[in-house]
Amino acid sequence: QLQLQESGPGLVKPSETLSLTCTVSGGSVSSSRYYWGWIRQPPGKGLEWIGTISYSGSTYYNSSLKSRVTISVDTSRKQFSLKLSSVTAADTAVYYCARALSLGATAIDYWGQGTLVTVSS
Amino acid sequence: QSALTQPASVSGSPGQSITISCTGTSSDVGGYNYVSWYQQHPGKAPKLMIYDVSNRPSGVSNRFSGSKSGTTASLTISGLQAEDEADYYCSSYTSSSTPLVFGTGTKVTVL
Repeated sequence: QLQLQESGPGLVKPSETLSLTCTVSGGSVSSSRYYWGWIRQPPGKGLEWIGTISYSGSTYYNSSLKSRVTISVDTSRKQFSLKLSSVTAADTAVYYCARALSLGATAIDYWGQGTLVTVSS
Repeated sequence: QSALTQPASVSGSPGQSITISCTGTSSDVGGYNYVSWYQQHPGKAPKLMIYDVSNRPSGVSNRFSGSKSGTTASLTISGLQAEDEADYYCSSYTSSSTPLVFGTGTKVTVL
């Protein structure tokens, strides 16, 4: 059974960079059939897609975040990562890593449990 | 890219059927058969219930079905059960610079 687990700091200061890693177990990030991505959900609000990456490193980002987002993949460690720079309080959210069936994330079939990241000084 | 429009809440009694709508435009819901639906219980990660408008992933109850007409997609839950009480989100591929957009979310209450 595929499992995804987010890890990283739960508190980030304004203007700094948020960094999260997702570790995949029970499967491989090297498959060409699947894509790996990040979605976030501010407390009490809806879902927002951040971006997706393929095993070969092709990426697709939310245009509203594109200037601040970097998603990378490390197939040897079975991990992929999210970096979001120049964070503000508006970036406070539960961040989910996930597996998608396309680069455009048209269907997201496996999700991590989510990790709350708070932006505050 | 604006979020897809869903009703804030829908309710029904056990055993009844309910339908949740997801309204977009010709650039998203109306233009592609890439609508998905997710169920989210409080404090939990979303779960994929329907993809590509009407396909159910393995393990999802056949009480859940999806359809689309024009720029509106729908999720129908038949034989409503207490465990169906959750938030539901639709999503769609879009032709905009951001290829995926989620709906505003619908809270389903089982009376």
